[in-house]
Order: sequence, then structure tokens, then C-alpha cells
Amino acid sequence: KNEVEQSPQNLTAQEGEFITINCSYSVGISALHWLQQHPGGGIVSLFMLSSGKKKHGRLIATINIQEKHSSLHITASHPRDSAVYICAVRHAGGTSYGKLTFGQGTILTVHP
Amino acid sequence: KAGVTQTPRYLIKTRGQQVTLSCSPISGHRSVSWYQQTPGQGLQFLFEYFSETQRNKGNFPGRFSGRQFSNSRSEMNVSTLELGDSALYLCASSSISSYNEQFFGPGTRLTVL
Repeated sequence: KNEVEQSPQNLTAQEGEFITINCSYSVGISALHWLQQHPGGGIVSLFMLSSGKKKHGRLIATINIQEKHSSLHITASHPRDSAVYICAVRHAGGTSYGKLTFGQGTILTVHP
Repeated sequence: KAGVTQTPRYLIKTRGQQVTLSCSPISGHRSVSWYQQTPGQGLQFLFEYFSETQRNKGNFPGRFSGRQFSNSRSEMNVSTLELGDSALYLCASSSISSYNEQFFGPGTRLTVL
């Protein structure tokens, strides 16, 4: 079983819809990242969370440390939100201390 | 501030050759991490350097190595290239004060023929 699991793997939405991408992890972490990658493009860090909730424009990220779960929400989705969204966790201890482990990514396509 | 830069952006090599990729972090950032991204395995951690010392290493064979210089610039080297090494290689830098926040470079696309 992967240490970081994302769902869904693929997501198609109509412009304006509310979108949720989920991330579950099985290791102790010091932080969780949500990353965005456009086709052929580099990676942009959207959020870094260690607790609670963060909001940036139409994007909201939440984390529940006890349940080892995080969600990324996009309100009023737009075609320009089409990208791959990747969850990554930074290990808090053990031999993997400080390492980033990534989910497989969620491919989001928003149609006009 | 300039972002993280990686050179070259694209590279084509043949099996058995070796390759060196370069990463210049954001000014003032002393931590540099390297990642490999392939369609099959997704993003995987290669190694992390801080102040010229390797602080962490992922599960890659010894053909993958790296180093960091006193100006925090980092290089990674892959020897005896295999077809499966074709990938996007990304580096990311972070500062001491905000270690968890990483800034990614555009990546180097390596194709092994």
C-alpha cells in the first residue's frame, strides 16, 4: 500500500462546479503539501499545511491530523484550473525523516 | 528574487552514457532536493542536500549521485544511463527559516535512447 493515496485519479468537471480532491497518508508527517502541475510545466506549490485550513482565492485546503487526511477544494472551477494536483507529505521521523513522499496525482479537467 | 533554475532544460543521451544536471536555488536557500518524475512511478524523492552535505536519500541505485557546492548550487549525476532513467528531473529549494516550504524549478527533461 502506498504511503500517500489520492482520490480520484481522474476528475472531469464543468466550469463553475465545486471540486474536491482527497489525500490520505499512513505515516507521521511534519507537513503536507498540495502541488499543481500544468502539462509540460513545472510544479507550483499551492499550500503547505501542518494543521487546520488555508484559503487562497478559490482554493481551500484542509487537513485532519488525527484522521491522516487532507482535502483540496476548488470553488467555482474554471478551465484554467485544469492540471494535475499532487499531494505530498514530509516525513516527521524515523529513517525517512524530512523526505517528501508524493501521491500519484489527480488529473483535473474542467470543461467550459 | 529569481526562482529556482535548472540546466539544461532538455537532454538526449544514449544508454551507457552519463549525465550531469544542474540546479541553482533561490538566493539564500541552502537546502536543495532532487526528484524524479516518470509516468509510471510519479514523483519520487532522490536526495536532499544542505550546506554541502547529503541529508537524506531516496531508494535509488548508486548510479544516481549528487553534490552541493558552497554557493548552494547543486548537481546530480546519473552514470551508465538506462532507458528507464528517461524522466523529468526536478529540483526544489527551501530556506532555513521555512524549511517545509519548497520552491520547484522547471525541471530537466532527460530522454535516454
